Amino acid sequence: DTTVKQNPRYKLARVGKPVNLICSQTMNHDTMYWYQKKPNQAPKLLLFYYDKILNREADTFEKFQSSRPNNSFCSLYIGSAGLEYSAMYLCASSRRDWGGEQYFGPGTRLTVL
Amino acid sequence: GDSVTQKQGQVTLSEDDFLFINCTYSTTTYPTLLWYVQYLGQGPQLLLKVTTANNKGISRGFEATYDKGTTSFHLQKASVQESDSAVYFCALAHFNTGNYKYVFGAGTRLKVIA
Repeated sequence: DTTVKQNPRYKLARVGKPVNLICSQTMNHDTMYWYQKKPNQAPKLLLFYYDKILNREADTFEKFQSSRPNNSFCSLYIGSAGLEYSAMYLCASSRRDWGGEQYFGPGTRLTVL
Repeated sequence: GDSVTQKQGQVTLSEDDFLFINCTYSTTTYPTLLWYVQYLGQGPQLLLKVTTANNKGISRGFEATYDKGTTSFHLQKASVQESDSAVYFCALAHFNTGNYKYVFGAGTRLKVIA
């Protein structure tokens, strides 16, 4: 099974409320990534886990949290959603020794009202 | 920092037309270059990748050549089909401080009319 699963597929959130998105893979990949994708823009890397080590991008450091309780699962947490968080959130996984190939999930479309 | 530019936001072709999607990149490293394709309702999936300059990647009739001189990685296909309608992303990946980092272009939406 070479699929990456994301839940939920659609999420509606109120401004100021928390949001938790879930990603899972059963390919025993050592690295899992979260991207934010807005219309007509490139996917933007938010953070990634290599094994249990979390790496967050400098410009999104304080806006997003993540946890990886085991190799298969990874979550993305927004403590207080703002309108600017409305976007598609893509999860991806890979093996570090694969030379750059990532497997993506179908995404979660988050709408903040 | 690294960047990837896809100038074409949308391309509309008829079946059997020749496809050319422009991609240029900027980096100080020696990256792996990739093309991803995203069909409606799905996540991006790898179409092809090239790790060595001046090499060509070929997959499902698509091809792209890693041109270090012009810093380009254009995607081509001789004859498109309606089923090729999708969004195509150009990306670069480089290994830095123990992990791969990725930079994507904004994507080019291809619409093929039967």
